[in-house]
Amino acid sequence: KQEVTQIPAALSVPEGENLVLNCSFTDSAIYNLQWFRQDPGKGLTSLLLIQSSQREQTSGRLNASLDKSSGRSTLYIAASQPGDSATYLCAVRSQAAGNKLTFGGGTRVLVKP
Amino acid sequence: NAGVMQNPRHLVRRRGQEARLRCSPMKGHSHVYWYRQLPEEGLKFMVYLQKENIIDESGMPKERFSAEFPKEGPSILRIQQVVRGDSAAYFCASSPGTMREKLFFGSGTQLSVL
Repeated sequence: KQEVTQIPAALSVPEGENLVLNCSFTDSAIYNLQWFRQDPGKGLTSLLLIQSSQREQTSGRLNASLDKSSGRSTLYIAASQPGDSATYLCAVRSQAAGNKLTFGGGTRVLVKP
Repeated sequence: NAGVMQNPRHLVRRRGQEARLRCSPMKGHSHVYWYRQLPEEGLKFMVYLQKENIIDESGMPKERFSAEFPKEGPSILRIQQVVRGDSAAYFCASSPGTMREKLFFGSGTQLSVL
């Protein structure tokens, strides 16, 4: 059974500081890992998708790394801005979970101006 | 190419009524997933469907809940005799089908049971 954990559950940083969000999963036999952003009362916006064969993906100020052997992924957000305040969700797609996405509980981020 | 469309955005029902949530996947996507998000909780898988078939319903309560994805038309998540505990945000996602493809999510339906 696949389980996904995100630590910390909440994070508060001053504007301009880099953000580091952690995600761990129990079964390393994954197809891919996806990072999402969710604003309060809104849907999910896909940020980055990392295939199991990849080590990292980058998009603008966002960089996500994947270490499949240790069951970890990290999302880095450089030079944080108040607009980055949201909940960030990590999800993995794996055979252990019947090929569906298994989500972590999310990290709620607040970037203070 | 329109994204995943869910309607209604907000649905209010009284206890005992039926709720029908609709999801139109992205064009060309034949796989649909339904997730539920309870207040202050993460997303929990409910059901995975392909056209006319339920592939995995392991996350769906055995009673009162059903889902379908007909050959024509949107996927429907149906909740009969709703109770207050059914109040949640229900999200639909779609993908083309292969395991390496990204899932795209709709904006969700917020169900409130009075």
